Amino acid sequence: EVQLLESGGSLLQPGGSLRLSCAASRFTFSSNAMSWVRQAPGKGLEWVSTISPGASTTFYADSVKGRFTISRDNSKNTLYLQMNTLRAEDTAIYYCAKAIETKNYFDYWGQGTLVTVSS
Amino acid sequence: EIVLTQSPATLSLSPGERATLSCRASQSVSSNLAWYQQKPGQAPRLLIYDASNRATGIPARFSGSGSGTDFTLIISSLEPEDFAVYYCQQRNNWPLTFGGGTKVEIK
Repeated sequence: EVQLLESGGSLLQPGGSLRLSCAASRFTFSSNAMSWVRQAPGKGLEWVSTISPGASTTFYADSVKGRFTISRDNSKNTLYLQMNTLRAEDTAIYYCAKAIETKNYFDYWGQGTLVTVSS
Repeated sequence: EIVLTQSPATLSLSPGERATLSCRASQSVSSNLAWYQQKPGQAPRLLIYDASNRATGIPARFSGSGSGTDFTLIISSLEPEDFAVYYCQQRNNWPLTFGGGTKVEIK
C-alpha cells in the first residue's frame, strides 16, 4: 500500500523558517503530482501547494505565495515544503497528499506533521 | 477563487438512517468535485471523485451526484463508523478549494 511519511514539524517563533519533508513509497512517485494540505487546530482543510510530476509546474495558495516553496526529488521519492517568514496563522497539521491519476484529487495522505508558530 | 459552501454544518442522525450532505459552488466546477471523510486524529480519506465515482475500496452505501454548482453526497444507511466530518473539494480552477465541512454526529 502507498505510504507517505511527513517529518520536520516543530515549534518555532514568528518569522522563522522550516522545511517539511514527505517520504513516499510503494508507488511510482515520479508519475504523480503531489500536494501539501494543512489543517489549523479545530478547523477545516486548506490546500497549500501542488507540484507537477516532473517539478516543472507549481501552484500556491495566495496565503503562502512568496513565503513557501514546494519541491521534489524524484530520485529520493521525497516531497518538500520550504516555509519562510512563518506567521501564527501558519500553525497547522501539514499533510502531504498524492494526486489520483492525472487529477488533483487526493487519494492517499500522510499522517501529518504539526507546525506551531508562536512566540 | 471558487467558494464551496457545505450544508448543513451538523447533521444529527441515528445508525441506519440516510444522510444527505450538500456542497454548493460559487461558480460552475463542472463535475470536478470530490468528497472526503475525516475522523478525529486521522487524515482525510477520499470517498468520491469526479462528483460520482467511488474511490477504491469505498462501500456502495456512499454515492455522489451533481454537476455545475450543486452536489450531493448520500450515505444510504449510516454505519457506526460513518460518523465523521465530510468535506467537498473542487479541482476545476486554481486555487484548489475545500468546503467548510459537515459533521455527521450520532443523534
